[in-house]
Amino acid sequence: GQQVMQIPQYQHVQEGEDFTTYCNSSTTLSNIQWYKQRPGGHPVFLIQLVKSGEVKKQKRLTFQFGEAKKNSSLHITATQTTDVGTYFCAGGENDMRFGAGTRLTVKP
Amino acid sequence: GAVVSQHPSRVICKSGTSVKIECRSLDFQATTMFWYRQFPKQSLMLMATSNEGSKATYEQGVEKDKFLINHASLTLSTLTVTSAHPEDSSFYICSARVPSPLSYEQYFGPGTRLTVT
Repeated sequence: GQQVMQIPQYQHVQEGEDFTTYCNSSTTLSNIQWYKQRPGGHPVFLIQLVKSGEVKKQKRLTFQFGEAKKNSSLHITATQTTDVGTYFCAGGENDMRFGAGTRLTVKP
Repeated sequence: GAVVSQHPSRVICKSGTSVKIECRSLDFQATTMFWYRQFPKQSLMLMATSNEGSKATYEQGVEKDKFLINHASLTLSTLTVTSAHPEDSSFYICSARVPSPLSYEQYFGPGTRLTVT
């Protein structure tokens, strides 16, 4: 069945450094979504990508959907301590599959 | 954004008892709700997809007789963990999808931490 792989599992950065997490699917995805889960919290929807090659920006966050619609990335420019949390990608329609998540820690 | 509530937030029960968890969409009607299980520092594992008025679709390996899901209305889905055992201790999270064409975003409830003693 469909699997969504996400790397890296952990990322520790100095505040101000950039951060990127990557997702790869074994099958073509109709859409991909990104969520952020703060420690002790629940996942919060960030964005949805639908079109091949789509790029969307939210302030310091840049989301990309690959041309083949099998991979995606989330890039954070100049991380801040408020960016701390686990970032999940998820793909699928009626049966959402979450990646393993990338746990980001930021050292002030 | 859309709001999903979940109750209770924490529950401790004895082994062999049953626990019901409620998931409500507060400001929208959710034709589809999802139930996930999350272990500490791990990803979300989809347990089942719940559609209003029909039987839930369970993921492979999830016992439907143990995890009873009922989606009786457009705003409420319930998960009942029957005959709970310590290995059922986990964080259970529900989510609801806002019915919209080409929109697959899900809104998550705050989760329920179940501890079985």
